[in-house]
Amino acid sequence: DQQVKQNSPSLSVQEGRISILNCDYTNSMFDYFLWYKKYPAEGPTFLISISSIKDKNEDGRFTVFLNKSAKHLSLHIVPSQPGDSAVYFCAAIGRGSARQLTFGSGTQLTVLP
Amino acid sequence: DGGITQSPKYLFRKEGQNVTLSCEQNLNHDAMYWYRQDPGQGLRLIYYSQIVNDFQKGDIAEGYSVSREKKESFPLTVTSAQKNPTAFYLCASSIDLQGYEQYFGPGTRLTVT
Repeated sequence: DQQVKQNSPSLSVQEGRISILNCDYTNSMFDYFLWYKKYPAEGPTFLISISSIKDKNEDGRFTVFLNKSAKHLSLHIVPSQPGDSAVYFCAAIGRGSARQLTFGSGTQLTVLP
Repeated sequence: DGGITQSPKYLFRKEGQNVTLSCEQNLNHDAMYWYRQDPGQGLRLIYYSQIVNDFQKGDIAEGYSVSREKKESFPLTVTSAQKNPTAFYLCASSIDLQGYEQYFGPGTRLTVT
């Protein structure tokens, strides 16, 4: 049972336009959400996060939005650049003593020049 | 220059052999984790450790073993009991189990034939 879902395995966007990556979750105990970016044959790198007490967090070109009632979050990249082409993983962490990250299956973003 | 190192980057083994993957960190982090990534899937937690000489099973621990004799090191042994060992293995660390952000190593691609 996937608790964190990224339903779009791939997304292509023109350079300079907005990229919107989506993520849904089912576990209401999740209270912190993270986005990681991963290039082939490398480990994921942390990109941006958001606490469940907020609905938006912005860092440069990256903004994460959280809609708790819909159990949905999204990552916006504006403007998109070719170097943003990578797999993006949504991850969630829940309340409890063992705060393990639960990852989605990832979305391959391709930014076309 | 702090970080997480994993070696080797590529590893080949014959079926039936145990193999140990190395993970070292110099971030002074207490918590360390092992994940497995398969094509088209997110990262799945194998084992994690919050302190030296203590470790806990993750979601897919069967066929794997770990040790945590030093704070800096968290080696993973893939045993012959693991039915599908070919995968990309990622080690991560965080300040402690309450630390939200996990930092990942570059990964080891294990191929078992």
